[in-house]
This record gives sequence, C-alpha cells and structure tokens, in this order.
Amino acid sequence: GQNIDQPTEMTATEGAIVQINCTYQTSGFNGLFWYQQHAGEAPTFLSYNVLDGLEEKGRFSSFLSRSKGYSYLLLKELQMKDSASYLCAVRSGGYQKVTFGTGTKLQVIP
Amino acid sequence: GAGVSQSPSNKVTEKGKDVELRCDPISGHTALYWYRQSLGQGLEFLIYFQGNSAPDKSGLPSDRFSAERTGGSVSTLTIQRTQQEDSAVYLCASSLAPGTTYNEQFFGPGTRLTVL
Repeated sequence: GQNIDQPTEMTATEGAIVQINCTYQTSGFNGLFWYQQHAGEAPTFLSYNVLDGLEEKGRFSSFLSRSKGYSYLLLKELQMKDSASYLCAVRSGGYQKVTFGTGTKLQVIP
Repeated sequence: GAGVSQSPSNKVTEKGKDVELRCDPISGHTALYWYRQSLGQGLEFLIYFQGNSAPDKSGLPSDRFSAERTGGSVSTLTIQRTQQEDSAVYLCASSLAPGTTYNEQFFGPGTRLTVL
C-alpha cells in the first residue's frame, strides 16, 4: 500500500517563506505532484517532480529526494491568497495510480 | 478549451436511493480518476480508468459503488442504496496518457452529494 504524510495545518505571515513537507512510502514510485485547493474549489496543479532536486516555478518551488521518500513545497513572498490546502500526491505502479495525502491547510496572516 | 465537467453539481437524495454521477473529461485525456472528499478531509481514491478499462478499483468502498466508462470518454459513478456516510464531494479528474511528461490531473468542479 501507500502512506503519505503531511502536517495538518500551518500558519505563516504575509511576505514570509513557508515550507510544507511531505513524506511517502510507496512501491513503484513514478512522480510526485503538489496541488493547491482553495476552500470549496477543486484542486489545481502546482508542480511535479520525478527526479531528485529542486523545481522552481515563480514563487513556488518543490523538492524531491527519492531515497528518503521526502518532498517539500516552498512558497516565497506569501500573499493572503495563498491561504489554501496544499495536497501532496504520489504516482506509482504501472497503472499510473495517483494517491493523495490528506493535505496541509495553510493560513496566511497579516 | 473546455475543462472537466461534472453533473449534477449538487445532489440531495434519500437514504436507500440510487444515484448516478457523471464526468466528462477533457477531450483526448485517456486517464480518468474518481475521488471522494469529505468535509475538511483529503482526497480518497476510488477508481482509475485507462481508456475504458479500470485497472485499479481498489478504492471503491463497497459493492454498492460501481463505475464505468464508455467510448474512452464519459464516465459514470453509480452508488446504490445510498447511506448517510456516502455524503461527500465526488471529484473527477482526467490526464493525458501515461508517458507524457507531467501527466498532471485536471479536476472537475465536483458533485456535492447529500444523503438524508
């Protein structure tokens, strides 16, 4: 089976940097995704990592270490609109199954 | 272009009734996923289709749940004899075929199911 762990909630200050961690255990790892989900809305894609290292995309960066089963999402220059849940998702197996963690609810405060 | 669409957007039903939820994926997307999300919870995987076949049905909670996909496009999720614990938002997502670089999933707006 799969196990994906994320902190349940985090709070950070507007303008600051926040790092959201995700650890996973899976067989047949084939990529890790981060999604953003605002309350009452569907998730939207943020980033994808399949090789070790850092992927940067504007204010958002995502890091992956396959040997450690670890990823993080880094959000810089936080804005109030970044208040949302951030979902870590792992793709695995020959059939491309994607399994989501329970998400980290981020609250950005002034 | 058009995104993933789902219907109905809201469904209220009585316990014991059957419901059918529909998902229209993005044209050309061969992979289709169904998830369930209870209030304040993460996404619970239900079933995955590649084309018309479902290689992974491991997430279906019970035999009251079934899903099919026809023509490699539209999918329906059927819940028979609904129970109150079935109340949740049912999300559908689609993605390109395996082997595409990102393969990120595009989500529909969801169907909010309430079982009274």
